[in-house]
Amino acid sequence: QLHLQESGPRLVKPSETLSLTCTVSGDSINSKFHYWGWIRQSPEKGLEYIGSIYYNGRTYYNPSLMSRVTISLDTSKSQFSLKLDSVSAADTSVYFCVRTGIQPFDYWGQGALVSVSS
Amino acid sequence: EKVMTQSPATLSLSPGETATLSCRASHNIGNNLAWYQQKSGQAPRLLFYGASVRATGIPARFSGTGSGTEFTLTITSLQSEDFAVYYCLQYSNWPSMYTFGQGTKLDLK
Repeated sequence: QLHLQESGPRLVKPSETLSLTCTVSGDSINSKFHYWGWIRQSPEKGLEYIGSIYYNGRTYYNPSLMSRVTISLDTSKSQFSLKLDSVSAADTSVYFCVRTGIQPFDYWGQGALVSVSS
Repeated sequence: EKVMTQSPATLSLSPGETATLSCRASHNIGNNLAWYQQKSGQAPRLLFYGASVRATGIPARFSGTGSGTEFTLTITSLQSEDFAVYYCLQYSNWPSMYTFGQGTKLDLK
């Protein structure tokens, strides 16, 4: 059974970088059939796609966040990571790591509430 | 930018009744439409993809229809566990971009 688990700081100061890691178990992160990504959810913006990464390292980002987002892959640890630069209060959200492919977002992590505050 | 509009925002029904949820796309997205169910404190759960293909483990009382710009999720014989928020998702440009609707809350009347 596939399992995704988010980890990382839950409180980030304004203008700093939000960093989260997703650990994957139960499936190979090297799969050519799937992409690994991030989605966030807030009362103000609802569900918002952040971006995703393929096994070969190719990345895809939401144009509205592209200038601040980096997603990377560590296949040796079966992990992928999210970095979001220059955060503000508007970036306070629950961040989900996800698997996607022909079946979009078929597996989700439990979610990590990250607050941006000084 | 493709915009997804769901209606109604809230739907109040009783167990045993039939729920009809709508999702409209601002552009033709073919059948690149998925539906999700989200319960409080949980991650969304995939119900349908390809507009009408039921995901693993989804009961037959759930059905998805539509193509192009108009889509419908129907839930017959509502059960207590069906009361949740439902989202549609367009993925016509995957994996580059995905867009969710704002959700329909299915409430217990």
